[in-house]
Formats: sequence, structure tokens, C-alpha cells
Amino acid sequence: EVQLVESGGDLVQPGRSLRLSCTASGFNFGDSAISWFRQAPGKGLEWLTFIRRKTNGGTTEYAASARGRFIISRDDSRRIAYLQMNSLKIEDTAVYYCAREVPGTGGDFDDWGQGTLVTVSS
Amino acid sequence: QAGLTQPPSMSKGLRQTATLTCTGSSNNVGIEGAAWLQQHQGHPPKVLSYRNNNRPSGISERISTSKSGNTASLTITGLQPEDEADYYCSTWDRSISAWVFGGGTKLTVL
Repeated sequence: EVQLVESGGDLVQPGRSLRLSCTASGFNFGDSAISWFRQAPGKGLEWLTFIRRKTNGGTTEYAASARGRFIISRDDSRRIAYLQMNSLKIEDTAVYYCAREVPGTGGDFDDWGQGTLVTVSS
Repeated sequence: QAGLTQPPSMSKGLRQTATLTCTGSSNNVGIEGAAWLQQHQGHPPKVLSYRNNNRPSGISERISTSKSGNTASLTITGLQPEDEADYYCSTWDRSISAWVFGGGTKLTVL
């Protein structure tokens, strides 16, 4: 069974940093791009970033809201993708989800995890 | 801010058919199509359909999708109480190299 589990969410003060983890099981992690999304309380879904598989260069793409403050990375040996979040703002408060690229879909993401809550507050 | 446009709400009766729309541009929906996700309150999103209109394994045959120009549609037939949820469309926007979402449609089954 394909499973993605996010962790690392916490209550942090504005300006601080936080690293989220997305731990995968049930599929060949190294063959999949991984993406991060978020959902602020009572709001819609927002894409943040994705990282391609190593055979596609392991390159990354970022939404404008994440570029410059957030960094995605992956450790294929540990089957974990990370989201390093720096200079956090109150408006970064959200549930953060990861998802994997589904083979044969041309780049669509599925198998979302349960999410991890990040609260930015003083 | 949503990149795609969805009506904020829709109400339909039990066993009726609901058609939800998602309007984008020639840079996203028009060329890429749209994926559709369902989200129940307090739960993570679940993908109902990929941009190629294929359904993931286990998704009901009551779900179908289509596209006309820059507008994608999700049709749910024989509405059931469990279909009451928020529905989001999403696709890749080639002009900004980013995944974009619609603001979501809250479907109420009466």
C-alpha cells in the first residue's frame, strides 16, 4: 500500500525556521517526483514546490509564495522528502501535505498524506 | 489566490446529477486539462480524476470528467450523502511553471 506520512509540524514564532518530513512507503520512492502543498485554515489548496526524481535531474520547481524561503530536498536512501521553511510568517500557518507523482499520468500527484499542522504565532 | 475559477457552492438533491466547472486559460486548462480532487471536512484531499480524464483505482464510475476549450467539468451522477464535500480542480500552468488550483466548490447534497 502506498503511504506518505508528513511530520515535523509545530507551533513556531514568526521569523523562525522549521523542517517538515514526508516519509514514503509502498512504492519505489526514487522513481517518483514528490510535491508539497498546503491549506490554510478554512481556505483552499495551494501548491508550494516539487522535486523531480534523480533520473530527471532531481530539479525543483517553486510557487512564487515559496520561492526564496522554502527549500525542497530528498533522501532516496531514507525514502524521505523534506521541506525546509525559513523566515516563517503568520500567513504560513496551514496544514502541509505531500504527495507523489503517479506513474503514467504525465506528472499528476496523488496519494496525499494526512498532513502536518504548522502554526506560526508569537 | 486561486489561478482557476470554480463556483463557490452548489446544491443538488439526492440521486440527482451535479456538474461542477473549472475555468482557466489556454496556458493551463486549455492545453493541460484538469485534475479533480475531493475533500471532506477534516480529511486530506483525494484525487478523483487525473488531467488525462482517467480515474484512479477505486474511484466510483459515477464520476466522469471532460473539457471544452478552457473549461473542465466534473460530473457526479446519482448523488449520495457521501458526495457532500469540497471539490477542487488543479492543473499545470505553462506560463508560470506552477501548479494552480481553483478556489473549490462546496457541494451540498439535499
